[in-house]
Amino acid sequence: QQPVQSPQAVILREGEDAVINCSSSKALYSVHWYRQKHGEAPVFLMILLKGGEQKGHDKISASFNEKKQQSSLYLTASQLSYSGTYFCGTEVYGNNRLAFGKGNQVVVIP
Amino acid sequence: DVKVTQSSRYLVKRTGEKVFLECVQDMDHENMFWYRQDPGLGLRLIYFSYDVKMKEKGDIPEGYSVSREKKERFSLILESASTNQTSMYLCASSRPGDVFEQYFGPGTRLTVT
Repeated sequence: QQPVQSPQAVILREGEDAVINCSSSKALYSVHWYRQKHGEAPVFLMILLKGGEQKGHDKISASFNEKKQQSSLYLTASQLSYSGTYFCGTEVYGNNRLAFGKGNQVVVIP
Repeated sequence: DVKVTQSSRYLVKRTGEKVFLECVQDMDHENMFWYRQDPGLGLRLIYFSYDVKMKEKGDIPEGYSVSREKKERFSLILESASTNQTSMYLCASSRPGDVFEQYFGPGTRLTVT
């Protein structure tokens, strides 16, 4: 039930764009994205609901393809502060229980 | 400022000991969760609770139990600690509903020797 995240790691220069992906084998109710910096707790970025509603971060965008049960997170004009590990959490039954993927490690260099 | 606190940042216990990890949230959240985080494995759900005295098994409940006697407090119990329970333990809380975000505590790094 754990979603699959890809790529495992991304290195990009400040100002570059990147896309990270999350896919599930199950029909999803919602997809969440969290970012964890080294030594810190994960922090909520955004939620994407079945039906297209999106709520979250003002500098990072995401999409949710309900037919493919896939979500993508778009890091546009990346900043050094974007570095960290990004986790997607998938909600299958609408019961607020999330299954998290293994994470995408993002490193932004000057 | 919302807050989830965990009783210890670092804990070292011996094999066979009973271990209590405490989590307290001040946001009046109904939902509370315990995860363990291991390198390369991401966050895995151990137990969760929707309300006082309610508990549900997550994906890896074996070797753990939980207690929720008060809304703000959710305890994780290792009945007899083993070395394979050495890990980072994260507590989280959220409101119920369609649009919810989980607030995480700082984590407890448990080492079982």
